[in-house]
This record gives sequence, C-alpha cells and structure tokens, in this order.
Amino acid sequence: NAGVTQTPKFQVLKTGQSMTLQCAQDMNHEYMSWYRQDPGMGLRLIHYSVGAGITDQGEVPNGYNVSRSTTEDFPLRLLSAAPSQTSVYFCASSPPGGLGGEQYFGPGTRLTVT
Amino acid sequence: GESVGLHLPTLSVQEGDNSIINCAYSNSASDYFIWYKQESGKGPQFIIDIRSNMDKRQGQRVTVLLNKTVKHLSLQIAATQPGDSAVYFCAEATSGSARQLTFGSGTQLTVLP
Repeated sequence: NAGVTQTPKFQVLKTGQSMTLQCAQDMNHEYMSWYRQDPGMGLRLIHYSVGAGITDQGEVPNGYNVSRSTTEDFPLRLLSAAPSQTSVYFCASSPPGGLGGEQYFGPGTRLTVT
Repeated sequence: GESVGLHLPTLSVQEGDNSIINCAYSNSASDYFIWYKQESGKGPQFIIDIRSNMDKRQGQRVTVLLNKTVKHLSLQIAATQPGDSAVYFCAEATSGSARQLTFGSGTQLTVLP
C-alpha cells in the first residue's frame, strides 16, 4: 500500500490564484481530513469527511472547499489564495473502529502564497 | 477557545536516558488524548492514545500518563534513541468526535550522543 499520498510537494501561488491540493489513500479508509500547520504550531483541522459524499467544516474552513466523490480521494481547493494561507498542508485518513485517534498522515504540501 | 499546549518547547536528553514530554489541556470536555511524533519533513505519526477513564497506558518503550485533576498529559520514552529525535505533539478530542483532533504546539526532542 502507498498509504496517504499528496501532490504537489511544493507550490508557490500568487495572491488571487486558485489551485487544488490532491490527496489519495489506498487503505479504504472512510474518514479523511485536511490540516494546516503553521511554523512552530500544531496542526489545525480545515475540513473532514466521514465517507464519500459527506464533508464538514473543521476549525479553520474559511477560504477552502472540499468534496469527496470517492472513498480514495479528498481534494482541497483554494479558490482565491491569500498570503495567510501560506502553510504546510497535511491530509490524513483513519480506519473505522478503534478510538479514532490513529490517523495516517500524508507527507504534506508546502504552499507559499506571495 | 480552549486549546492544548505544551510546557516545554525543546527538550534535550542523552541517548539511553528516559524522556518525559509534558502537555497541558484546558478543554474539560476532552476525554480522549493522543500523542504524535513528527520527523522533519514528514507528516505526524501516531504513537499512543489514552481515554479519560484510564490514568496510564503503555506501549513499546512509551508510556502515556493522564492526570485529569490538573488536566495534564505526559509521554515517557524509555531508553531514548537517536531515532526518537523529532517534534512530539499531544492532541485532544471528545469521544463523540474522536477523529477531529485539536493539537498542541509541539515539543522538539533532541537526543544527544
């Protein structure tokens, strides 16, 4: 299994540009989520999905959209990038059952908005 | 809003010694806690978790202690190895939303040879 994969690894955008961060997992996990990590800080939840067709907002959803058309993929869209969205973005997935905290994180996408 | 935080931003230990990483939480509704390890340039990796009905839980070379009275969580690593050098995060959640984690700011653990 490849686990959780994210593309691209690095991205530079200009203010106002749009882009989609890709996330895929091959573990058949129902739950997927997106976090952002700012320098010297912990991760903050942006959006999450409990299964295909179902998404919900996390702690910091403004400026981001998500969709979940398949179990495998959970893309994150920035409609109009702002410098405040400069961050490292992590996608995670989690299997059903258990206590829920055992999440599998991708390697991250480092985004810079100028 | 309430948040999870760490007492020490950095911790240096000698190889072979035990490490203790501390975490304070303030959300009294949290009843589930998790520790993650993040190596440079990688995503966080699950280490161990504990529910609030427990005071202690042990894994392989790691132990998590929970003191609900003072809202304190700690991660103990036995016989620290160079590969343990990383940033360690505690995270909290409620059992009803156990996958929606609130992370602390992290502690950088450096293992000295």
